[in-house]
Amino acid sequence: GQSLEQPSEVTAVEGAIVQINCTYQTSGFYGLSWYQQHDGGAPTFLSYNALDGLEETGRFSSFLSRSDSYGYLLLQELQMKDSASYFCAVSGGRRALTFGSGTRLQVQP
Amino acid sequence: GAGVSQSPSNKVTEKGKDVELRCDPISGHTALYWYRQSLGQGLEFLIYFQGNSAPDKSGLPSDRFSAERTGGSVSTLTIQRTQQEDSAVYLCASSSTGEEQYFGPGTRLTVT
Repeated sequence: GQSLEQPSEVTAVEGAIVQINCTYQTSGFYGLSWYQQHDGGAPTFLSYNALDGLEETGRFSSFLSRSDSYGYLLLQELQMKDSASYFCAVSGGRRALTFGSGTRLQVQP
Repeated sequence: GAGVSQSPSNKVTEKGKDVELRCDPISGHTALYWYRQSLGQGLEFLIYFQGNSAPDKSGLPSDRFSAERTGGSVSTLTIQRTQQEDSAVYLCASSSTGEEQYFGPGTRLTVT
């Protein structure tokens, strides 16, 4: 089977940097994805890592270590609009995603 | 261009009734996924269609749940004899690569 662990809540202030960690167990692995979901909204894609290393997209970066079954999402220069839930997800033996339970990020002024 | 659309946006039904939820994926996307999300929870995989291949139904929670995809495009998720525990937001996603999935706005199902 597949399972993922991520913190349930994180709080940070505007302008700060926050890292959301994700560890996973999966049989078969294609990649680790990150999705953002605002309250009442649909998940939106942020990043995808298939290989080890850091991927940077603007203020957001994502890291993967396949040997450690570990990844993280790094959010820089936090803005109030970044307050949302962040989900890591793995695509394993099938291409559909298995999602973590989500990390609720609260950005404070 | 148009994104993934789902209908209805909200559905209230009585326990024991059947419901049909519809998903229109992004044109040209060969992969289509159904997930459900209970309040404050992550997304639970239900079923996955890829092109003309047999669907991956491994996430369907019971035989009351079924889905079809006609003409490689529109998909319908059917829940028979609904139960209160079926209440959730049902999300559809489509993808061309499998790496990036585009989600629809969801159907909020409430079983009374």
